[in-house]
Amino acid sequence: EDQVTQSPEALRLQEGESSSLNCSYTVSGLRGLFWYRQDPGKGPEFLFTLYSAGEEKEKERLKATLTKKESFLHITAPKPEDSATYLCAVLGQAGTALIFGKGTTLSVSS
Amino acid sequence: DARVTQTPRHKVTEMGQEVTMRCQPILGHNTVFWYRQTMMQGLELLAYFRNRAPLDDSGMPKDRFSAEMPDATLATLKIQPSEPRDSAVYFCASGLPLSGDNEQFFGPGTRLTVL
Repeated sequence: EDQVTQSPEALRLQEGESSSLNCSYTVSGLRGLFWYRQDPGKGPEFLFTLYSAGEEKEKERLKATLTKKESFLHITAPKPEDSATYLCAVLGQAGTALIFGKGTTLSVSS
Repeated sequence: DARVTQTPRHKVTEMGQEVTMRCQPILGHNTVFWYRQTMMQGLELLAYFRNRAPLDDSGMPKDRFSAEMPDATLATLKIQPSEPRDSAVYFCASGLPLSGDNEQFFGPGTRLTVL
């Protein structure tokens, strides 16, 4: 059974304090690993798709990396506007839709 | 600016009542998903349509939930009868599988409270 576990559940950072969020997964034939950002009261917003181990993608202060067992979302010098819940999801070979983790809620204070 | 729209945004109803949620996918997208989000379970897939045909509704309680796509611009999720445990935020998402990143675009959600 495809499964996604995210850690930590919550993370508090000071503005400028870099850190990483973890997404561990088990899946039969990874077709893609997805990162989404969700703000309170809104739907998830797409950030990245990673397809194979070793792949990296960047967007502003965010960089996503992928290994065969996990993905990291690195946040460099975060700002308060980066505060949100970050969701990881996988699409497996046998699956028809994304399997989501429960997310990491990031709070960045100035 | 193309986006997925959902109505209503909020719904409060009493146990036993019928609830219908509507979704307008992004024009041209041929896949539509219904998800439910709760604090305990996170985001769970309820149903998945491609080219208006239901491909996977295994996550949906069949005795009370039904999902349809009457046409390419409208998807509906119906609960009859509703129960307090159905209280959650229901999201619709649409996508185009052959696009570069396979991303799904989510609507703003319908927050359902069943008393």
